[in-house]
Amino acid sequence: GAVVSQHPSWVICKSGTSVKIECRSLDFQATTMFWYRQFPKQSLMLMATSNEGSKATYEQGVEKDKFLINHASLTLSTLTVTSAHPEDSSFYICSVTPPLASSYNEQFFGPGTRLTVL
Amino acid sequence: AQRVTQPEKLLSVFKGAPVELKCNYSYSGSPELFWYVQYSRQRLQLLLRHISRESIKGFTADLNKGETSFHLKKPFAQEEDSAMYYCALDTGFQKLVFGTGTRLLVSP
Repeated sequence: GAVVSQHPSWVICKSGTSVKIECRSLDFQATTMFWYRQFPKQSLMLMATSNEGSKATYEQGVEKDKFLINHASLTLSTLTVTSAHPEDSSFYICSVTPPLASSYNEQFFGPGTRLTVL
Repeated sequence: AQRVTQPEKLLSVFKGAPVELKCNYSYSGSPELFWYVQYSRQRLQLLLRHISRESIKGFTADLNKGETSFHLKKPFAQEEDSAMYYCALDTGFQKLVFGTGTRLLVSP
C-alpha cells in the first residue's frame, strides 16, 4: 500500500497558539487529501477535503478560519490549528487517494498526529 | 441522514470461533461500503470493500440492502485478527463516514 507520513506524531502546545501538521504522500502525487479528527473513544470524523491548487472544502460544523488547510503541492497538505484551545485536543489523521481514484479505491491513511492543548 | 452504526464496542471470542462484526448504515443513495482495520500500533488500512466481493484474510462481508447491513464475518477467528474494525460508508467523492468501531479480541 501507499505510504503516507504525518509530522509531527505528537505535539503539545499552549492555549492560544497555532500548530501546523503536515501530511505527505510518499508514493504518488495526490490531488486530493482528506483530514479527519478522532476524539478519544470516538470514530473518525471527516473535517475537510484538501484539493491541490484550490481551496479546501470543509464539512458542516468545521470552522475554516480555525483549521487552515494548504495543499500547495501534489505530495503535501498542511493543517494549521489556529488559536488552539483545549477542546481542540484530538487525534488528527490524513488520508490520500491515488490518482484517477474512484469511489471504490481505498484511501491510504497516515499514522496520525496527537494534539494536546494545555 | 448518513450514518454508520456499529453496535458492539468490544467483541471477545476464542481462537477458532466464528466472528461477526455488525454494521448497519443509513443512506439514501446507492451505498458503497468498506471495512477498515487498525492493528495495534499501526495505521488504519483497508480490509475489504463490498464492490469487490472479495475475501481478505478469511473475512467476508455481504451488503444486504434490505436490512441496510454490511456485517463482517469470519468462520474461524485467529489471534492475529485482534484489532479495531471500522465500517465506513462512502457518501460521494470518496468522503467516508465511519462507524464508532468494534474492538475484536481473540483469545487463545
